[in-house]
Amino acid sequence: GIQVEQSPPDLILQEGANSTLRCNFSDSVNNLQWFHQNPWGQLINLFYIPSGTKQNGRLSATTVATERYSLLYISSSQTTDSGVYFCAVDSGTYKYIFGTGTRLKVLA
Amino acid sequence: KAGVTQTPRYLIKTRGQQVTLSCSPISGHRSVSWYQQTPGQGLQFLFEYFSETQRNKGNFPGRFSGRQFSNSRSEMNVSTLELGDSALYLCASSPSPNTGELFFGEGSRLTVL
Repeated sequence: GIQVEQSPPDLILQEGANSTLRCNFSDSVNNLQWFHQNPWGQLINLFYIPSGTKQNGRLSATTVATERYSLLYISSSQTTDSGVYFCAVDSGTYKYIFGTGTRLKVLA
Repeated sequence: KAGVTQTPRYLIKTRGQQVTLSCSPISGHRSVSWYQQTPGQGLQFLFEYFSETQRNKGNFPGRFSGRQFSNSRSEMNVSTLELGDSALYLCASSPSPNTGELFFGEGSRLTVL
């Protein structure tokens, strides 16, 4: 099955800094999503981005499907951005495979 | 529009008992999938339902089962609970399997003692 790797596993930033999170996947995918898991465990949708580039405020994402990776950019980070960021992919079986996540801590 | 609703949010059971978790999808969504999250194994797919039919199942023992009702609400059941079943169980809905984008509920946190 598809393997999903996220890097870095952990990231500590000062408030206001920018960061890039990466998601590599081992096979072609039909769907790719980025999520932010809040402290209470809920997965919050950030982007649904099987290909191309999208932006939402301080966050943007790019997926290069032919090279099997996706990037999540966070600019001017805030303490509320802290949490775990997951990438999840689906090869068309409607069975999403999640990466192990990037744990982000933003310091005030 | 209400989001995905999961009940109960927290529960404690003892080994050998069984548990039923409920998930109400976003209105109009007909596909429901379930995931288990543990510190050791991360987020793992359990099963996916569409039109009351299980379309896909993850690599879990038969103690884990589910069903979907005609109103798209779904339940999952875990029988003969083991300590390792302690986890956050997350339900997601989407308009249909082909639509792709998942929307998650807040989860049901199960502790097995």
